Amino acid sequence: DAGVTQSPTHLIKTRGQQVTLRCSPKSGHDTVSWYQQALGQGPQFIFQYYEEEERQRGNFPDRFSGHQFPNYSSELNVNALLLGDSALYLCASSSVPGQGIDEKLFFGSGTQLSVL
Amino acid sequence: AQSVAQPEDQVNVAEGNPLTVKCTYSVSGNPYLFWYVQYPNRGLQFLLKYITGDNLVKGSYGFEAEFNKSQTSFHLKKPSALVSDSALYFCAVRDGRTTYDKVIFGPGTSLSVIP
Repeated sequence: DAGVTQSPTHLIKTRGQQVTLRCSPKSGHDTVSWYQQALGQGPQFIFQYYEEEERQRGNFPDRFSGHQFPNYSSELNVNALLLGDSALYLCASSSVPGQGIDEKLFFGSGTQLSVL
Repeated sequence: AQSVAQPEDQVNVAEGNPLTVKCTYSVSGNPYLFWYVQYPNRGLQFLLKYITGDNLVKGSYGFEAEFNKSQTSFHLKKPSALVSDSALYFCAVRDGRTTYDKVIFGPGTSLSVIP
């Protein structure tokens, strides 16, 4: 049973460019959340997708956008990259919302984005 | 909004000694609290959770956590530390009462277990 998979594992971009990160949730999960983890900090919530819609959003600018596909996989897009966007981007999946308040998140290993 | 704090950036403990990683929370209503661990170059892994019931919660790898409502704390503990426990530990709280609601993470505590 595959867990949460993310691609690519590492990415180097320059300021002003655009980037797309991808995530496949754990089998049986249909909710995907994205987090940004800067070096030495805790993960910061970006947004959550369920039923192909953005359900919750953290304090991130509109440069950060996402998408969820019918197979529950998800993409995170970041436009006009800034140096401060350099971080580990984590995808987490969970099962159907509302059916278990104690549902834990399953995380992928992340995509390390470096903006030069 | 809910939040969690981890007052210690770094905790050092000798192998075989008990360890404690501290967490305090600020919530309205009953909190849904979690601990996650992160090993180098990896994503976070779930350790344990508190939803309701017994204040002492047992989790993976011999870890446990004690929920204290009066002190608004949820400290992670282990009776005997292993070198392999060295990692980053994150306390987290669910910002609401359904799995629609986002999980908010603390800043993390780096645990070093010294042989």
